[in-house]
Amino acid sequence: EDQVTQSPEALRLQEGESSSLNCSYTVSGLRGLFWYRQDPGKGPEFLFTLYSAGEEKEKERLKATLTKKESFLHITAPKPEDSATYLCAVQVVGSGYALNFGKGTSLLVTP
Amino acid sequence: DADVTQTPRNRITKTGKRIMLECSQTKGHDRMYWYRQDPGLGLRLIYYSFDVKDINKGEISDGYSVSRQAQAKFSLSLESAIPNQTALYFCATSDLESRAFFGQGTRLTVV
Repeated sequence: EDQVTQSPEALRLQEGESSSLNCSYTVSGLRGLFWYRQDPGKGPEFLFTLYSAGEEKEKERLKATLTKKESFLHITAPKPEDSATYLCAVQVVGSGYALNFGKGTSLLVTP
Repeated sequence: DADVTQTPRNRITKTGKRIMLECSQTKGHDRMYWYRQDPGLGLRLIYYSFDVKDINKGEISDGYSVSRQAQAKFSLSLESAIPNQTALYFCATSDLESRAFFGQGTRLTVV
């Protein structure tokens, strides 16, 4: 059974304190791994897609990396506006184009 | 205007009532999805459609039905609502790279 597990469930950081969020996956065949950001009361917003082990993508203070078993979302020198829930999702070969989401990591960055 | 619009944004209904949630998109994508989000369970796929003639069940389709009226419109129905269908519902579309774009969500309460 395809599984996506995110850790930690919640993370509290001081402004400027860098850290990483983890997304581990067990799938029959990975077509792509996606990261989303969700603000309270809003729909998820696309951040990155990663397709193969060793791939990296960056956007402002965020950097996503991928291995054969997990992905990391590195947050460098976070600001309070980075506070949100970060969702990881996988697209599995042979399962159409729908995404299988993890439960998310709730990030709070305090001043 | 939002690319993916859901109506209504909030709805309270009684057990046993039929309810329809509507979704329209202006992105021109063929692929559309309905997800529900529950605290602690994350986003789970209800139904998806890859074009107007294609409808597929997702992980949790029991108790739900859908209609794809046009490329831009995808509706979700609860034929006889029950309290455990209380949740936040999201409609999404995706492009050819499978990047999903979500609506603002419909908060449904079944009493």
